[in-house]
Amino acid sequence: AQSVTQPDIHITVSEGASLELRCNYSYGATPYLFWYVQSPGQGLQLLLKYFSGDTLVQGIKGFEAEFKRSQSSFNLRKPSVHWSDAAEYFCAVGEMGGGFKTIFGAGTRLFVKA
Amino acid sequence: GAVVSQHPSRVICKSGTSVKIECRSLDFQATTMFWYRQFPKQSLMLMATSNEGSKATYEQGVEKDKFLINHASLTLSTLTVTSAHPEDSSFYICSAGDRGVNSYEQYFGPGTRLTVT
Repeated sequence: AQSVTQPDIHITVSEGASLELRCNYSYGATPYLFWYVQSPGQGLQLLLKYFSGDTLVQGIKGFEAEFKRSQSSFNLRKPSVHWSDAAEYFCAVGEMGGGFKTIFGAGTRLFVKA
Repeated sequence: GAVVSQHPSRVICKSGTSVKIECRSLDFQATTMFWYRQFPKQSLMLMATSNEGSKATYEQGVEKDKFLINHASLTLSTLTVTSAHPEDSSFYICSAGDRGVNSYEQYFGPGTRLTVT
């Protein structure tokens, strides 16, 4: 069965510093990969997705992620973090087969310090 | 992107009563809708997949008689928590799927906070 692992429960970075959130997946075929962000008490907002093609994906709010098949990873990066980026980040893998199902990682809470 | 709404955003009910949560896709037709449950500081757990005009597919461990799902139209799915108990208190999030030829988009609602007293 497919699964998603986000090794870091929480991360703290200084405002203006770079950020990398890790995500590893387990899936037999080429996965559909997503990163979502959730602010407290809110729903999820899609940051970016990978279906095929260029393995470096650009998203909203200055985020990017790189799909590395050899490492089964889809890490999220941002060169300079803003205080408003503090939130919960979820990596997810989707499978299409009969229907569509999205499996979420446990999430990584990002704290930004001044 | 497409917009998915949920109503209500927050509800408090007494133990033993039933609560209905609505999920609407506002500007597209969603043949598939999903219901998730999220406990505090945890990830989203898929409860069921709802296809328009057919019975929902529930994930293992989710009681179908407890969590009734109806997907009567291409823009509306409802989740009814029957005979609610305090342990049903949670954040419920729906999403609607929009499938293309080689892609898939899933749009999430803002969530409904259910508190059972």
